[in-house]
Amino acid sequence: QVQLQESGPGLVKPSETLSLTCTVSGGSISSYYWSWIRQPPGKGLEWIGYIYYSGSTNYNPSLKSRVTISVDTSKNQFSLKLSSVTAADTAVYYCARLNPTLGGDYDILTGYYYHPFDYWGQGTLVTVSS
Amino acid sequence: DIQMTQSPSTLSASVGDRVTITCRASQSISSWLAWYQQKPGKAPKLLIYKASSLESGVPSRFSGSGSGTEFTLTISSLQPDDFATYYCQQYNSYLTFGGGTKVEIK
Repeated sequence: QVQLQESGPGLVKPSETLSLTCTVSGGSISSYYWSWIRQPPGKGLEWIGYIYYSGSTNYNPSLKSRVTISVDTSKNQFSLKLSSVTAADTAVYYCARLNPTLGGDYDILTGYYYHPFDYWGQGTLVTVSS
Repeated sequence: DIQMTQSPSTLSASVGDRVTITCRASQSISSWLAWYQQKPGKAPKLLIYKASSLESGVPSRFSGSGSGTEFTLTISSLQPDDFATYYCQQYNSYLTFGGGTKVEIK
């Protein structure tokens, strides 16, 4: 059974960089896409971006200028960095797996593949406050 | 960007009721739609993918239908464990979620 676990600081100061790591256990990080999603308190879900195990990335255009996702296959981990944070970035941050075997396709307009999320971490609350 | 609109935003129902939630896409997404269930303090759980395919282990009372821009999630007989918030999500171009439908006890 694949399990994902987020880790990182629960409090970040405004203008600083939010950094989180997701550790994957029970399966290899290879051959899948790995993603970050966030959910502000009491609100809906927002996709942040994903990384393929090979290292190629795809980001939400609304966050692209501030987001970096990286992968370390030797540790079965992938990470998120979100720069210049404000109070609006306060949210529960989830890591999740996108599974190509559940369908999805290549989008000519964006030049990327998209699939549904089948495994999620439990989520970690990150608060941006001084 | 493709916008996803769910209705209703809140639904009050009783155990045993048949429940239907609608999700509309701002442009055609073929059948690239998933449905998730989220309970308070928990991560979303995949229920349906490719509009109508049931994820392994999900009870058969859940079903999905639709294609193009109009989709529905149906719970044939609502059970106590089903009171939760449900999200649709398109994976045709980028990845976007609907605003959610909270199913509460009537």
